[in-house]
Amino acid sequence: AQSVTQLGSHVSVSEGALVLLRCNYSSSVPPYLFWYVQYPNQGLQLLLKYTSAATLVKGINGFEAEFKKSETSFHLTKPSAHMSDAAEYFCAVSDEGTGFQKLVFGTGTRLLVSP
Amino acid sequence: GAGVSQSPSNKVTEKGKDVELRCDPISGHTALYWYRQSLGQGLEFLIYFQGNSAPDKSGLPSDRFSAERTGGSVSTLTIQRTQQEDSAVYLCASSPGGGSNQPQHFGDGTRLSIL
Repeated sequence: AQSVTQLGSHVSVSEGALVLLRCNYSSSVPPYLFWYVQYPNQGLQLLLKYTSAATLVKGINGFEAEFKKSETSFHLTKPSAHMSDAAEYFCAVSDEGTGFQKLVFGTGTRLLVSP
Repeated sequence: GAGVSQSPSNKVTEKGKDVELRCDPISGHTALYWYRQSLGQGLEFLIYFQGNSAPDKSGLPSDRFSAERTGGSVSTLTIQRTQQEDSAVYLCASSPGGGSNQPQHFGDGTRLSIL
């Protein structure tokens, strides 16, 4: 079964610094991978998705992620953090064996941005 | 509204009572998902509806949980004889279809607290 692992439950950066949130996946077939963001008391918002096209995926709010098959990774990056980026970020893989987009989520990484 | 609407936003009930949670998907979206977000288990898939097809109930944790979707639109998640471990945020999502290229749009969730 597909799964994802997010390293670090909390990541702290200064405003303007590079953001790097790590995600490694386990999948027996080419995966569909997603990053979602969750702000307090809100649902999840899709940042970006990988569906076997370009390995470098650009998303909203200046985020991007690179699919690296050799490392089974799909890390999320942003060159310069903004205060408004403080939120919880979830990596997810779609369990395609079910025939629909059944998302399996990582445990989440809370991004803290200090001035 | 333009987004997925969930009600109530908060629900507090006593152990042993039944609860109903409502989800109003985006108009025209044929796929509807329920997820549970809890401190102990993270984000878990519960159930998936696609049009008028039989739902995929593989994520429901026990037979106390059930869901229906009337007329291919509004969905209700019912928890019978609630237990304290049912305390969680229940998220609903909808998408234009069930495929991997169809982004899931999430509601803000219902925060359920069992006393």
